[in-house]
Amino acid sequence: KAGVTQTPRYLIKTRGQQVTLSCSPISGHRSVSWYQQTPGQGLQFLFEYFSETQRNKGNFPGRFSGRQFSNSRSEMNVSTLELGDSALYLCASSRSGGHSYNEQFFGPGTRLTVL
Amino acid sequence: QQQVKQSPQSLIVQKGGISIINCAYENTAFDYFPWYQQFPGKGPALLIAIRPDVSEKKEGRFTISFNKSAKQFSLHIMDSQPGDSATYFCAASGGGSNYKLTFGKGTLLTVNP
Repeated sequence: KAGVTQTPRYLIKTRGQQVTLSCSPISGHRSVSWYQQTPGQGLQFLFEYFSETQRNKGNFPGRFSGRQFSNSRSEMNVSTLELGDSALYLCASSRSGGHSYNEQFFGPGTRLTVL
Repeated sequence: QQQVKQSPQSLIVQKGGISIINCAYENTAFDYFPWYQQFPGKGPALLIAIRPDVSEKKEGRFTISFNKSAKQFSLHIMDSQPGDSATYFCAASGGGSNYKLTFGKGTLLTVNP
């Protein structure tokens, strides 16, 4: 069974640009979560989607947005990039996310560098 | 507000020794406590998880100890091996935040041969 895949793996952008990251969950998983990982702040929750609906959102500015498609694939978008957005963006999928016991499987992440 | 505090930040252990990483949480609504292992260039991978209805869970060389009254839980790695060298994260979820994991800041474990 294929794991969570994320594309692209590496990305370099300049300030003010926007970026779209993609995540394909494990087959049969309907919940997709996004996390930002930085050396200073660690792993921080961005948002979670289930059946194309955002169910939970972390404390990030509105420049960070996401969506989920009918096949459970998800994208996140960051507009007007800032230097502080440089991070590893991780996607995690789980079967339903309906309760806290659902194991989340993480992808390898997209390394975003903002110059 | 850091809801899950993890210590130590880094840990050096000799091969065959015991590695112990501690976490404390604040939100009493948390009801699921997983530990993740992350190698450089990889995403976190679930190692072991516990629910608050048990005080200990063991899987191979890895054991979680859970103290509900103290709101603390810890990971013990027995017979630590150089291959265990990685960053370990504790996490918690539950209550109103069922759909997200709140992570500790991580512990960089180095096991010397």
